[in-house]
Amino acid sequence: DVKVTQSSRYLVKRTGEKVFLECVQDMDHENMFWYRQDPGLGLRLIYFSYDVKMKEKGDIPEGYSVSREKKERFSLILESASTNQTSMYLCASIPGQSYSNQPQHFGDGTRLSIL
Amino acid sequence: GQNIDQPTEMTATEGAIVQINCTYQTSGFNGLFWYQQHAGEAPTFLSYNVLDGLEEKGRFSSFLSRSKGYSYLLLKELQMKDSASYLCARRDDYKLSFGAGTTVTVRA
Repeated sequence: DVKVTQSSRYLVKRTGEKVFLECVQDMDHENMFWYRQDPGLGLRLIYFSYDVKMKEKGDIPEGYSVSREKKERFSLILESASTNQTSMYLCASIPGQSYSNQPQHFGDGTRLSIL
Repeated sequence: GQNIDQPTEMTATEGAIVQINCTYQTSGFNGLFWYQQHAGEAPTFLSYNVLDGLEEKGRFSSFLSRSKGYSYLLLKELQMKDSASYLCARRDDYKLSFGAGTTVTVRA
């Protein structure tokens, strides 16, 4: 089974801090995704990466950046955290774009609170 | 956005059947996923439809009409453990667009 691991289940940070959310997958997947999930809005794509050092903006990239230095690890960075970034963050992966008809495998999520 | 619409909440009795509808924009459509998400947990895959028709997997079935931009998830013989949020997700190439989710509450 694919294992997608997010480094923290719960995180509390202060406004203006630089925040790192880490995600690691163990199945050599090429494509990795970061979403945020808010009540009434569902999952919204922030960024995704289709290879090492390759990234593409999703639907709501403002205020975020990402890093993919190694294939197994995809990091989401909040450059200067704001209270409207309080949310549940979910990481997901699939083997590659030719496998996009296969389900995305999700991590357990990081519930981030910005005070 | 992709205007993916599904009802916010549904309630049903244990042993009953519930149908969760999902409508979406048809342009650029490649397929439709259904996920189940229990509170505080990751979404887990239930079904994927790319062709018109009904796909059955045990107590859960999913239907797709590409021309109408419509899908539904049918949950039969409801059990208490089926209380969860059900997410409809439209595939557009390698990206997914999710609906807001339907919270299903199963009552004894």
